[in-house]
Amino acid sequence: LAKTTQPISMDSYEGQEVNITCSHNNIATNDYITWYQQFPSQGPRFIIQGYKTKVTNEVASLFIPADRKSSTLSLPRVSLSDTAVYYCLVGALSGSARQLTFGSGTQLTVLP
Amino acid sequence: NAGVTQTPKFRILKIGQSMTLQCAQDMNHNYMYWYRQDPGMGLKLIYYSVGAGITDKGEVPNGYNVSRSTTEDFPLRLELAAPSQTSVYFCASRPRQQNTEAFFGQGTRLTVV
Repeated sequence: LAKTTQPISMDSYEGQEVNITCSHNNIATNDYITWYQQFPSQGPRFIIQGYKTKVTNEVASLFIPADRKSSTLSLPRVSLSDTAVYYCLVGALSGSARQLTFGSGTQLTVLP
Repeated sequence: NAGVTQTPKFRILKIGQSMTLQCAQDMNHNYMYWYRQDPGMGLKLIYYSVGAGITDKGEVPNGYNVSRSTTEDFPLRLELAAPSQTSVYFCASRPRQQNTEAFFGQGTRLTVV
């Protein structure tokens, strides 16, 4: 399983764009990159997933450079309700990588 | 379609007691997971299952047992509860297809005193 490294915490203000970067230097060829969001006292919720280049949905964008050793979750115009922990996961369903392993995540605090 | 349902939501146990945390999903997912989350920390994988009759250990399996007799249910058993098992427990499931999202339950908050 590829190990991921994220900042422990980030602060932002309402209306700003927030970028959270995740490092995954030993990502394997079959691995996808997935981000989850967790609010206090709730289970994590899927945000976005990608393999390479850029993926965008109604919530966020995910930027993955050509070497795939890092990825950046971009949240446009954050609001107070985006305050949460964001987890980056790397893995695939092939071989032994059936586990879904979370790192420590990034605590994003959005300030008024 | 209820998704992933965990019961109970809260429980207080005395040291040495046993209990079973229930998890059920109605999405016909093959893969199911149990996590624990200590205050201010990330999720630690306890056990997981890739289908009925198949279970495997995660990162922190000691003190826990699981079974998977049906696709829908994945109970987590605590034997001889200890204060170190005070945590919030989350169950999750996802389809077998490659790189699909996982769905989580609302959690069970367990306190061992």
